[in-house]
Amino acid sequence: GQNIDQPTEMTATEGAIVQINCTYQTSGFNGLFWYQQHAGEAPTFLSYNVLDGLEEKGRFSSFLSRSKGYSYLLLKELQMKDSASYLCAVRLYNNNDMRFGAGTRLTVKP
Amino acid sequence: DAGVIQSPRHEVTEMGQEVTLRCKPISGHDYLFWYRQTMMRGLELLIYFNNNVPIDDSGMPEDRFSAKMPNASFSTLKIQPSEPRDSAVYFCASSFREFGTDTQYFGPGTRLTVL
Repeated sequence: GQNIDQPTEMTATEGAIVQINCTYQTSGFNGLFWYQQHAGEAPTFLSYNVLDGLEEKGRFSSFLSRSKGYSYLLLKELQMKDSASYLCAVRLYNNNDMRFGAGTRLTVKP
Repeated sequence: DAGVIQSPRHEVTEMGQEVTLRCKPISGHDYLFWYRQTMMRGLELLIYFNNNVPIDDSGMPEDRFSAKMPNASFSTLKIQPSEPRDSAVYFCASSFREFGTDTQYFGPGTRLTVL
């Protein structure tokens, strides 16, 4: 089967740094995505990693280790508006299917 | 650009009825995706098109679901007959290049309730 695991909920303080982890066990791998989704809204694409290493994009960074089946999303200088669900998704290699994790609900507190 | 447009935004129907969801992608985008999101199953990719041609429909749950893209500016997702377990938010997304190499832009979604 395909397993993508992420913590259900996290809480952090405004201005702090938070790391959201994602581990996956899938039959093939062709890239990992992170999406942000505010309650009642559509997902927004954040990042895409296909090679090992860190990709930085402003306050958000995403890391991938294919050998460990592991990724994380790092959010710096947290703002209240960062309170949202963060979805990890893996694109499978053998077909073009994508599998999503259940999402991590992040709450940023003052 | 107005972004990805979906209609209707909300749909309530009775079991057994046919439901048609519509999507207009961003102009110039060659890829169009249909997703479904529920509390139980999370977000799922149903099908995606490249230049109006279905590339992968392995995520389509069953034969009751069908999707078409008659031209570059319009796609439909049809459920016939609908069942209560089809109740979900259905998102359409589009991108200029294949997903992963380009940002996907999501529409606002259609919230479907099947009674």
